[in-house]
Amino acid sequence: GNSVTQMEGPVTLSEEAFLTINCTYTATGYPSLFWYVQYPGEGLQLLLKATKADDKGSNKGFEATYRKETTSFHLEKGSVQVSDSAVYFCALSENNLFFGTGTRLTVIP
Amino acid sequence: DGGITQSPKYLFRKEGQNVTLSCEQNLNHDAMYWYRQDPGQGLRLIYYSQIVNDFQKGDIAEGYSVSREKKESFPLTVTSAQKNPTAFYLCASSIGGVRYEKLFFGSGTQLSVL
Repeated sequence: GNSVTQMEGPVTLSEEAFLTINCTYTATGYPSLFWYVQYPGEGLQLLLKATKADDKGSNKGFEATYRKETTSFHLEKGSVQVSDSAVYFCALSENNLFFGTGTRLTVIP
Repeated sequence: DGGITQSPKYLFRKEGQNVTLSCEQNLNHDAMYWYRQDPGQGLRLIYYSQIVNDFQKGDIAEGYSVSREKKESFPLTVTSAQKNPTAFYLCASSIGGVRYEKLFFGSGTQLSVL
């Protein structure tokens, strides 16, 4: 079956630190992969996506590369800001949308 | 501005009571969805609707009901049969039918049991 496993949080970083949130997946076919972000009290927003192997999704300084060989889609940002504090969800799409459990990121000044 | 509006933002339910969560979109999207979010868990699909007057059960439909009488509206009723209704409920929509890779989400409704 399809599933997503992402790094448990919470993650606390100082401003300008490097961020990595790990995500691995299990899929029967060739899914699209996504990172969604949820700011406090709000719904989910699509942060970035990749639709095939070796694609790199990027947005707002965040990046993730679709790695079929390691079934991974790790989220990275070189220098986080306080405004990046949110919950991040990894997800895959294959006849449904399967979400990871979310990773809460807190960035402190 | 186009978007998805969920109301109310916070809702309280008494034991044995049915409550209805509103979801309205002015994006002219064909498909609409309801997800449930519990703390420390990912989202789970409750119901979805591809077109007006048609809807399908998702992974956790028991204790919930929906209607789709208008393209813009997809209300969710949490019935008394749902024994653990406390959660954050998210409505979403997509253009061109059921397209999980192109979802737009509303800002959610937090439902709590008194």
